Amino acid sequence: AQTVTQSQPEMSVQEAETVTLSCTYDTSENNYYLFWYKQPPSRQMILVIRQEAYKQQNATENRFSVNFQKAAKSFSLKISDSQLGDTAMYFCAFKYAGNNRKLIWGLGTSLAVNP
Amino acid sequence: DTAVSQTPKYLVTQMGNDKSIKCEQNLGHDTMYWYKQDSKKFLKIMFSYNNKELIINETVPNRFSPKSPDKAHLNLHINSLELGDSAVYFCASSPTGGSNQPQHFGDGTRLSIL
Repeated sequence: AQTVTQSQPEMSVQEAETVTLSCTYDTSENNYYLFWYKQPPSRQMILVIRQEAYKQQNATENRFSVNFQKAAKSFSLKISDSQLGDTAMYFCAFKYAGNNRKLIWGLGTSLAVNP
Repeated sequence: DTAVSQTPKYLVTQMGNDKSIKCEQNLGHDTMYWYKQDSKKFLKIMFSYNNKELIINETVPNRFSPKSPDKAHLNLHINSLELGDSAVYFCASSPTGGSNQPQHFGDGTRLSIL
């Protein structure tokens, strides 16, 4: 079975500092996609960043970047210059290539950004 | 402009009742989903529809029946509600079922069974 593991249930960081959230996954396939979603206290699920497995270059979206290590099956999220509004649950998710495949979710990491 | 909207946002009801949650997306997407998020925040896919056709049907009790009258709507009807059905239910959509496409989520419906 395919699994996504987020080994840090809770983390905290001071405002303006950098934090890295870890995610590992298990698959024998070569083509897949990886996502990080954010769920703030308002409950809405928001896409943060995505990565195609065939791309070696790490995806970046403003203050958010990933460290994608395909051989190690690792997909960590780095948040730079943390802001109070970054306080949320962060979910790592995996999806095989192809149509109508389901997202496989990690259990989430609760991140608190402290003033 | 709300992209994926669910109603109601909160639903409190008695065990044994039947209830429905509605979902509409105005993004022009072909694919819609229902997820259940339990009290530990674990997200589990329940159903997926592509252009009104059922694509994914996870192991969900028969009491849950999705209905897609058109590709912009995917409603969830639940019969004979049980205590274990208490959760937050999320509707989502994506342009097609392609794997590289992110899903756009609604705000969720918190269902509480008394």
